[in-house]
Amino acid sequence: DAGVIQSPRHEVTEMGQEVTLRCKPISGHNSLFWYRQTMMRGLELLIYFNNNVPIDDSGMPEDRFSAKMPNASFSTLKIQPSEPRDSAVYFCASTPGPMNTEAFFGQGTRLTVV
Amino acid sequence: KQEVTQIPAALSVPEGENLVLNCSFTDSAIYNLQWFRQDPGKGLTSLLLIQSSQREQTSGRLNASLDKSSGRSTLYIAASQPGDSATYLCAVRTRGASKIIFGSGTRLSIRP
Repeated sequence: DAGVIQSPRHEVTEMGQEVTLRCKPISGHNSLFWYRQTMMRGLELLIYFNNNVPIDDSGMPEDRFSAKMPNASFSTLKIQPSEPRDSAVYFCASTPGPMNTEAFFGQGTRLTVV
Repeated sequence: KQEVTQIPAALSVPEGENLVLNCSFTDSAIYNLQWFRQDPGKGLTSLLLIQSSQREQTSGRLNASLDKSSGRSTLYIAASQPGDSATYLCAVRTRGASKIIFGSGTRLSIRP
């Protein structure tokens, strides 16, 4: 398997624009996580899906952020409108199940909002 | 609310030394604990996964222990090498919500 695949790897956008980050989990994995990593706050959990259903979105910073998982092989994280403080590395991770299984991470999307 | 802490935040040791990285968590209701390595500008690489029923796991020069009752885990690195320089992160998977919560990491530098 190719692992967790995220796209794009880098994104530079202007403030106010819509940004969509994409994630393809490992085939057969049914739990998916979105994280944001910054120097100041480390790795923050944004949202967690199990079997394509959002289980916990308490980490989503505000209404400008939304995430979807229309099927088991694809998820998106959207920011609209984007702001400079959204600049960070966004990681997607998947696990085979909801409990005692290993998490695998994608390579991340480095987002810069200018 | 589960909180994960890693101490120290940074560590520098000469090559060849054995070293221990620490991870503590506030809620012992976990499914597992996982140690990751992150190189600058890169993603996270899984090193070791310890289930809540296990006490330790070993992979090569790495040994991770888990004391769930006291909320602690250690990552032991034997005979350190410059290539071990990276940030090491621990994460716990919580029971109930099944979220994966990370510590802030320990930045390790091995001096040649």
